[in-house]
Amino acid sequence: EAGVAQSPRYKIIEKRQSVAFWCNPISGHATLYWYQQILGQGPKLLIQFQNNGVVDDSQLPKDRFSAERLKGVDSTLKIQPAKLEDSAVYLCASSLGTGGAIADTQYFGPGTRLTVL
Amino acid sequence: SQELEQSPQSLIVQEGKNLTINCTSSKTLYGLYWYKQKYGEGLIFLMMLQKGGEEKSHEKITAKLDEKKQQSSLHITASQPSHAGIYLCGAVMIYNQGGKLIFGQGTELSVKP
Repeated sequence: EAGVAQSPRYKIIEKRQSVAFWCNPISGHATLYWYQQILGQGPKLLIQFQNNGVVDDSQLPKDRFSAERLKGVDSTLKIQPAKLEDSAVYLCASSLGTGGAIADTQYFGPGTRLTVL
Repeated sequence: SQELEQSPQSLIVQEGKNLTINCTSSKTLYGLYWYKQKYGEGLIFLMMLQKGGEEKSHEKITAKLDEKKQQSSLHITASQPSHAGIYLCGAVMIYNQGGKLIFGQGTELSVKP
């Protein structure tokens, strides 16, 4: 079974530029998550989708970050404009979404390492 | 302050030695996940614990959730270089928006051959 796919794996941009990340979840997984992981810290949830609806985006900096999950499958996360503090690994995860949050195991993609200069 | 604290933050052990990583919460843990991460890569799911007193093992890795469900430990027996990486615990916390997985800061493990 194919895992969570993400692209690109690495991205280097100048501050104030824009960037987009793509995620393809495990087939059949209804729930999709985007996390930000700053070096030396654990991942922090940015946004959670259930099918194509947003469940939680309380920690998404909405003035510069946006995400969509059209058709309830693939998702894109965009940053516009980027700041130096956005340098991090952006992780996408997916889960079946049927067991409730407690027993709904999340499976992660390889991540996109973003460097903002 | 962190809702979930891991200790130690880093660990260097000689190959063949046993080690333990702890994950402590000030709140009741409804579900506790352990993941492993290689530097710069994604998280690999290891185990999930839900019931107080529960213990699970996979190969040489054992995880336990204490009876009060506020602490979990990950124990590696006879460590090997392949065990090196960052170990992260994640706890399901209940908020207004529903359940959310909150991670500790991670424990970096190095195994010396």
